[in-house]
Amino acid sequence: NAGVMQNPRHLVRRRGQEARLRCSPMKGHSHVYWYRQLPEEGLKFMVYLQKENIIDESGMPKERFSAEFPKEGPSILRIQQVVRGDSAAYFCASSRLAGQEELFFGEGSRLTVL
Amino acid sequence: AQTVTQSQPEMSVQEAETVTLSCTYDTSESNYYLFWYKQPPSRQMILVIRQEAYKQQNATENRFSVNFQKAAKSFSLKISDSQLGDTAMYFCAFSLNQAGTALIFGKGTTLSVSS
Repeated sequence: NAGVMQNPRHLVRRRGQEARLRCSPMKGHSHVYWYRQLPEEGLKFMVYLQKENIIDESGMPKERFSAEFPKEGPSILRIQQVVRGDSAAYFCASSRLAGQEELFFGEGSRLTVL
Repeated sequence: AQTVTQSQPEMSVQEAETVTLSCTYDTSESNYYLFWYKQPPSRQMILVIRQEAYKQQNATENRFSVNFQKAAKSFSLKISDSQLGDTAMYFCAFSLNQAGTALIFGKGTTLSVSS
């Protein structure tokens, strides 16, 4: 049973470009969470999605960031017009149920903005 | 709003010794879950141990155990017989017992185990 798969593992973008990060949850998991980890910081919740629905996006910046989890395919976190402050590790996690269930994390995608 | 505080940015311990990592949290809810996650240098987060707030008995998982003090809102992690492979960043996390609620993480404690 494959774990949570994230790609790319490393992504380099210049300021103003777009970044797309992908996450395939564990088999049988329908809940996906995106977290951002800035250097020397803990993980900060960004968005929680179920298939075709955004359940909670209270941690998403109001501009330039969007997320989706289509009926088919991986969840995608999209960052438009990236700035240096977007440089971070972005972690995806999935769970079978929400709330009290353990989250299974991917290995993260490290975004570097030049 | 719920918050999680880890007051020790860094800790170090010798192999085979015991170390305790601190975590406090703040919530007005009575039913919730607490977790310790480990993030080794490879960066993948791994669940170490979890505790349901309604259970008085402290959770134990092999060399890892917690000291859960609900009234004090404290949830410390004890690692016994420390091993070099325990070197990692450890995150305390909190979750309400509600569908769709995300985990809230502390800032983490970097633990270094030396021989």
